[in-house]
Amino acid sequence: ETGVTQTPRHLVMGMTNKKSLKCEQHLGHNAMYWYKQSAKKPLELMFVYNFKEQTENNSVPSRFSPECPNSSHLFLHLHTLQPEDSALYLCASSLDLAGGPDTQYFGPGTRLTVL
Amino acid sequence: AQKITQTQPGMFVQEKEAVTLDCTYDTSDPSYGLFWYKQPSSGEMIFLIYQGSYDQQNATEGRYSLNFQKARKSANLVISASQLGDSAMYFCAMREGLVIQGAQKLVFGQGTRLTINP
Repeated sequence: ETGVTQTPRHLVMGMTNKKSLKCEQHLGHNAMYWYKQSAKKPLELMFVYNFKEQTENNSVPSRFSPECPNSSHLFLHLHTLQPEDSALYLCASSLDLAGGPDTQYFGPGTRLTVL
Repeated sequence: AQKITQTQPGMFVQEKEAVTLDCTYDTSDPSYGLFWYKQPSSGEMIFLIYQGSYDQQNATEGRYSLNFQKARKSANLVISASQLGDSAMYFCAMREGLVIQGAQKLVFGQGTRLTINP
């Protein structure tokens, strides 16, 4: 595997279900991100992790719970979601070096539908 | 005020023509970075090109170039000799501040949907 991978690619869940999204980066990066992309809205940053430590929580509801066990893996645990949470969830990673461009590389996304 | 503005919701271009996608940004920080991403219908955001605020020359990557006009706060993407595979959403994004230590936030524009006609 190369780059950033995400599983599953598609997920349909009911409002009472619990599910998890998985992201894995094979780039040797130290920072990982979750974004939400809803129709007709710009990408919204949800969470940022740097060296496994959460450095940003962008006022995300507690029904979204991130987990970063190491610099290569990132999870987004979902529970009691609402239909308005249906969106494309994108994971990204970057290598943060002082003076560097800090380019974020994205995975293919998980398209989530909440019924 | 929006940090990143992309004023063209959609553009239609004939194959092999050059196309310019507009992006203006708003920041008071002298140090920033500007990025362009392509998002095909499959969903993945593909990094295209980067321009740092202190870079003296416009960035180029193959058929992509960035027309960076700092005084006007614009960072337009130019695609030369467009191809059918260029049809996608294109997003401009900005990182404010220097990359020191720690992950940096990106702010994205609304995107432009580019359609290349044969």
